[in-house]
Amino acid sequence: GESVGLHLPTLSVQEGDNSIINCAYSNSASDYFIWYKQESGKGPQFIIDIRSNMDKRQGQRVTVLLNKTVKHLSLQIAATQPGDSAVYFCAEKDGNEKLTFGTGTRLTIIP
Amino acid sequence: NAGVMQNPRHLVRRRGQEARLRCSPMKGHSHVYWYRQLPEEGLKFMVYLQKENIIDESGMPKERFSAEFPKEGPSILRIQQVVRGDSAAYFCASSQLAGAQGYTFGSGTRLTVV
Repeated sequence: GESVGLHLPTLSVQEGDNSIINCAYSNSASDYFIWYKQESGKGPQFIIDIRSNMDKRQGQRVTVLLNKTVKHLSLQIAATQPGDSAVYFCAEKDGNEKLTFGTGTRLTIIP
Repeated sequence: NAGVMQNPRHLVRRRGQEARLRCSPMKGHSHVYWYRQLPEEGLKFMVYLQKENIIDESGMPKERFSAEFPKEGPSILRIQQVVRGDSAAYFCASSQLAGAQGYTFGSGTRLTVV
């Protein structure tokens, strides 16, 4: 079946450096993508989203890139801080109401 | 404006008991979604409800699981005769409109079946 998956389960980054988290999706009908951050014991927190008619969107310290040709999504976090340590999930929608989540990447910021 | 409220935060049940998880959506939100998360995994869709209606229950197990969102009161996810495999975090999310771009998640209920 269709699935959303991630390339790397864990990522360690030095504080202050930039980080890139990748996500591959397989549903070509997906038209909306979201990145969520989940801290231990908490629910997913919206970070940034992008529609399929765009290839890049920027927020505060975060950028999402979408490559529809290879069905690839990435989240870039600039100047990482200790508070960025969390598990990051990509999720996609294909027009219905449910989100399909990837398995997550655990980002650890090294002081 | 309070966010999505879920209770209890932690729930322990013995095998064979019933578990009831409650979700109060954000004020003004009439769409509720339930997701389940196993340890070290992503969230899996279970059910989408509007007031008094189940819209999509394609992710719900066929037996023992049910959900409701009454006209008054919170949405309830009910698991009958729990088994160890039901141990997971259950998250509720809500949105104001159908087709909302993203929606707001609650902090979840962590169910442990012993």
